[in-house]
Amino acid sequence: EVQLLESGGGLVQPGGSLRLSCAASGFSFSNYAMSWVRQAPGKGLEWVSKISDSGAITYYADSVTGRFTTSRDSSSSTLYLQMNSLGVEDTAVYYCAKHLKPGHGATSPSQFDYWGQGTLVTVSS
Amino acid sequence: DIQLTQSPSSLSASVGDRVTITCRVSQGISSYLNWYRQKPGTVPKLLIDSASNLQSEVPSRFSGGGSGTDFTLTISSLQPGDFATYYCQQYYTHPTFGQGTTVEI
Repeated sequence: EVQLLESGGGLVQPGGSLRLSCAASGFSFSNYAMSWVRQAPGKGLEWVSKISDSGAITYYADSVTGRFTTSRDSSSSTLYLQMNSLGVEDTAVYYCAKHLKPGHGATSPSQFDYWGQGTLVTVSS
Repeated sequence: DIQLTQSPSSLSASVGDRVTITCRVSQGISSYLNWYRQKPGTVPKLLIDSASNLQSEVPSRFSGGGSGTDFTLTISSLQPGDFATYYCQQYYTHPTFGQGTTVEI
């Protein structure tokens, strides 16, 4: 059974940093690209970042470029999102999501078949 | 960024109704479009990928169509568990989502 378990969310002051983790199990983690998607309270979905199956290539939404960094550790099947210079607009539930199709490297289609339960990040003074 | 506009933003329906949601895209994306359902308090669930490919274990009352800039999600006979918010999402470029369509009783 595929499982994705996020952690690391919490309350942080504007300008602060936070590191999210997503522990994956039930599938061959190193064979799939992964993404982060967020959802502000009561709002819709916003894609944040994607990392290729190898971890060599990353992509970011314009809204987080230069502030967020995605990485992965295949030895522990864990996905990470390092968030710096956080602003109130970053307040959201952050989901990690598995891509539907294995392989494809940097061109893995962004189709998300499994999602974690989400971790809430609140940026407030 | 590619913009996706769903219509309607919300609708009221009854069990057994046929419901169609439209997703209009700001530029042609071939068939690079997915549909998700998000029930209140839960995570999104992928229903359809590549505009019309039904995911395994998704009931056949769901169907998707369209290509280019205009897409539809149809629920042929609404069931109680289908009252939720539906999102379209393109992956022609960096993914973007529609604003969502809430299906209410």
